[in-house]
Amino acid sequence: GAVVSQHPSWVICKSGTSVKIECRSLDFQATTMFWYRQFPKQSLMLMATSNEGSKATYEQGVEKDKFLINHASLTLSTLTVTSAHPEDSSFYICSAREFSGVTEAFFGQGTRLTVV
Amino acid sequence: DAKTTQPTSMDCAEGRAANLPCNHSTISGNEYVYWYRQIHSQGPQYIIHGLKNNETNEMASLIITEDRKSSTLILPHATLRDTAVYYCIVRVRNQGGKLIFGQGTELSVKP
Repeated sequence: GAVVSQHPSWVICKSGTSVKIECRSLDFQATTMFWYRQFPKQSLMLMATSNEGSKATYEQGVEKDKFLINHASLTLSTLTVTSAHPEDSSFYICSAREFSGVTEAFFGQGTRLTVV
Repeated sequence: DAKTTQPTSMDCAEGRAANLPCNHSTISGNEYVYWYRQIHSQGPQYIIHGLKNNETNEMASLIITEDRKSSTLILPHATLRDTAVYYCIVRVRNQGGKLIFGQGTELSVKP
């Protein structure tokens, strides 16, 4: 299957700082990328949908000013957690869908964020 | 997208077939059934999808009932590496639509 790469795999940051997570589609062009958050023992929760070249669409209850999403190219989307707090500690996962219409979404390996 | 219902957990003996059920009684005619799995601390992995015919690939088989209100994912010879949470998701294909995950079934394959 297609490959989606996330970086970093894990990150520890201090409260009040910002953290950027990258999501890349390595062997296909992704017009649409999705960002999820997962707390321990829970399912994935969709945060936002990003389309290349346009503003992201956020799910209800997700603060768009806190979770900045940029989808500047067909192979890269970034999620920036601004002014991170310990409650933002979570597992963040991106997925991407190919431009050509193959609709199976492929997922990155996830980023474990710990805010101290 | 239609809602799905799955058992919270299941056990399976190594080498035996694992049959994971999913109920999607409100599925509409243009909605596909997708299966993903998530091994601990990794991103979800696509397994298989189908509309109304049974499907098989190198990972699994998908059996969809004639009325499409339920389906079963079959792992023919489960291994310890198949221990994961399995998610059944129903959505319309060929749209830039999002995948909404339910709670899934936690499958434990035991020696």
